[in-house]
Amino acid sequence: AQSVTQPDIHITVSEGASLELRCNYSYGATPYLFWYVQSPGQGLQLLLKYFSGDTLVQGIKGFEAEFKRSQSSFNLRKPSVHWSDAAEYFCAVEGTGGFKTIFGAGTRLFVKA
Amino acid sequence: EADIYQTPRYLVIGTGKKITLECSQTMGHDKMYWYQQDPGMELHLIHYSYGVNSTEKGDLSSESTVSRIRTEHFPLTLESARPSHTSQYLCASSEAGDRLGYTFGSGTRLTVV
Repeated sequence: AQSVTQPDIHITVSEGASLELRCNYSYGATPYLFWYVQSPGQGLQLLLKYFSGDTLVQGIKGFEAEFKRSQSSFNLRKPSVHWSDAAEYFCAVEGTGGFKTIFGAGTRLFVKA
Repeated sequence: EADIYQTPRYLVIGTGKKITLECSQTMGHDKMYWYQQDPGMELHLIHYSYGVNSTEKGDLSSESTVSRIRTEHFPLTLESARPSHTSQYLCASSEAGDRLGYTFGSGTRLTVV
């Protein structure tokens, strides 16, 4: 069955340090992959998406993600974290042929001064 | 400004009451969705619609119902609220035919006492 796994429930990073949030998916073909961010009390906001082509995709707020087919991963990265990045991050996968989007359980990012 | 709106933001209601959660979008999107979100859990799709007069149940069994009489409006109704319905409900929309990801509303946090 299709699934999305975010292995880290929460991560704490110092402000200014680099960040990598992990996402693994299970899907038979090449999926469409997304990262969303959710600030407290808000809905989810799309950060970036991957459909095909260049496996390194750039998103908003200085985030990027790399699709690695061999590892079934789509990890989110940011070179220097800001305190305002503290939020919950969700990885999602959408397939073809009516396969609906599946979201991971999220990773909560804490940023310490 | 094109957006998606959910009302109310917060709702506390007694067991057995009928409630309707409102969701409206101004982007002209054909596809709309309702997700249920609980802390530390994946988002669960409870209803979706691909256009006017089209509604389908999602993957998570739900005692709620939806309607789609107008493109912009996708309300969710609970005929008889129970404490097990306590959760956050997120409405989202997307363009038909394009893998552009979802636009989410800010959510309704429902508490049934």
